[in-house]
Amino acid sequence: AQSVTQLDSHVSVSEGTPVLLRCNYSSSYSPSLFWYVQHPNKGLQLLLKYTSAATLVKGINGFEAEFKKSETSFHLTKPSAHMSDAAEYFCVVSDRRNGGTSYGKLTFGQGTILTVHP
Amino acid sequence: NAGVTQTPKFQVLKTGQSMTLQCAQDMNHEYMSWYRQDPGMGLRLIHYSVGAGITDQGEVPNGYNVSRSTTEDFPLRLLSAAPSQTSVYFCASSYAGGGRGYTFGSGTRLTVV
Repeated sequence: AQSVTQLDSHVSVSEGTPVLLRCNYSSSYSPSLFWYVQHPNKGLQLLLKYTSAATLVKGINGFEAEFKKSETSFHLTKPSAHMSDAAEYFCVVSDRRNGGTSYGKLTFGQGTILTVHP
Repeated sequence: NAGVTQTPKFQVLKTGQSMTLQCAQDMNHEYMSWYRQDPGMGLRLIHYSVGAGITDQGEVPNGYNVSRSTTEDFPLRLLSAAPSQTSVYFCASSYAGGGRGYTFGSGTRLTVV
């Protein structure tokens, strides 16, 4: 079974300050982990993904995340927030079987709304 | 442009009506799935498919039906609409294994009155 907990439902930062969005996961097998972003009334865009290669993953728009197996965490960070980063962010897990293929199912966290103040 | 196409974008139904939400992808993806998004609950999996002719239930399948007769199409049928099915519906697809990430459609906003 797989599950995801996003530890903050809302995060508020000032423009130019660091962003930290926290995510813990639970997985029966080696997981694939993703962060998606959703701007208001838009679809979901993939920010970055972890699939068992490097534990520090770099994504688009300056975001990165670190896979920490011992802590079962996959926190999303950005050194300097921009007004355009204001959106809802979803941490997502997909179990992978021993052969490396997934079951085709994604489990989403409840989402973190990021607000960026001028 | 390559991607996942969902139709319609908006729909209002009366309680008890049936309808089909369409999803098509042109990336030759094996995996396709349907999610519903409700405030504060993230996205929840309704049904998914790992290939043509193969479907399975997700977390919230009741009231919905799917089939996958081709690789490209994965329609979602609402059998008898209820107000609890008011939601935003997203279709997603990926290559087998899912490691390259999933591509999402732009969503269908459904209101059942």
